[in-house]
Amino acid sequence: GAGVSQSPSNKVTEKGKDVELRCDPISGHTALYWYRQRLGQGLEFLIYFQGNSAPDKSGLPSDRFSAERTGESVSTLTIQRTQQEDSAVYLCASSLSGTGLGGNQPQHFGDGTRLSIL
Amino acid sequence: AQSVAQPEDQVNVAEGNPLTVKCTYSVSGNPYLFWYVQYPNRGLQFLLKYITGDNLVKGSYGFEAEFNKSQTSFHLKKPSALVSDSALYFCAVRPWGSGTYKYIFGTGTRLKVLA
Repeated sequence: GAGVSQSPSNKVTEKGKDVELRCDPISGHTALYWYRQRLGQGLEFLIYFQGNSAPDKSGLPSDRFSAERTGESVSTLTIQRTQQEDSAVYLCASSLSGTGLGGNQPQHFGDGTRLSIL
Repeated sequence: AQSVAQPEDQVNVAEGNPLTVKCTYSVSGNPYLFWYVQYPNRGLQFLLKYITGDNLVKGSYGFEAEFNKSQTSFHLKKPSALVSDSALYFCAVRPWGSGTYKYIFGTGTRLKVLA
């Protein structure tokens, strides 16, 4: 498809389990962002990838959270030993470029993964 | 600290009336400003952006926004609201030239257009 694709769309798991969320960005988009959106709240920045540069991980809330991206393709966000406070919608966005003048490019969002921790 | 404020959690407007959704920002450096809309169970959709030039920018679905540098505001407007405009609206800013690649989002404003 032409848009950002995220999978799964919904994930229900037990506390303490690990989960892996996937994001397929728009082809050619070098910048990729992960956000967390708790119910009724705004977007919380988690991590940013730009091409092959070192990612900006400053938004990751704890060492239970990690993310990977190979080149300019798929990214996975992994949450280990999930806690109930991890319940949220996790949104992925991509854009043409995050750097310099490319920073005026809008982000294109996926529909998110709704994560529920029992 | 860099921030974006959307002072109204919810805005109600009658169909056919003009609407305004407010956004103010505080950033170092020149800002790139964006508005996004979110429908239930969907991601955010880009509406419009201000980069430079004319303070009034036009975007999708008849929306426009006015950049006011002195008031550090970027309010979203539409001359005539539709029931289908009811959604959650987010203002975002990216400070250009500050070395950060993060977009700072406001907390969102829920717009309800009443028939």
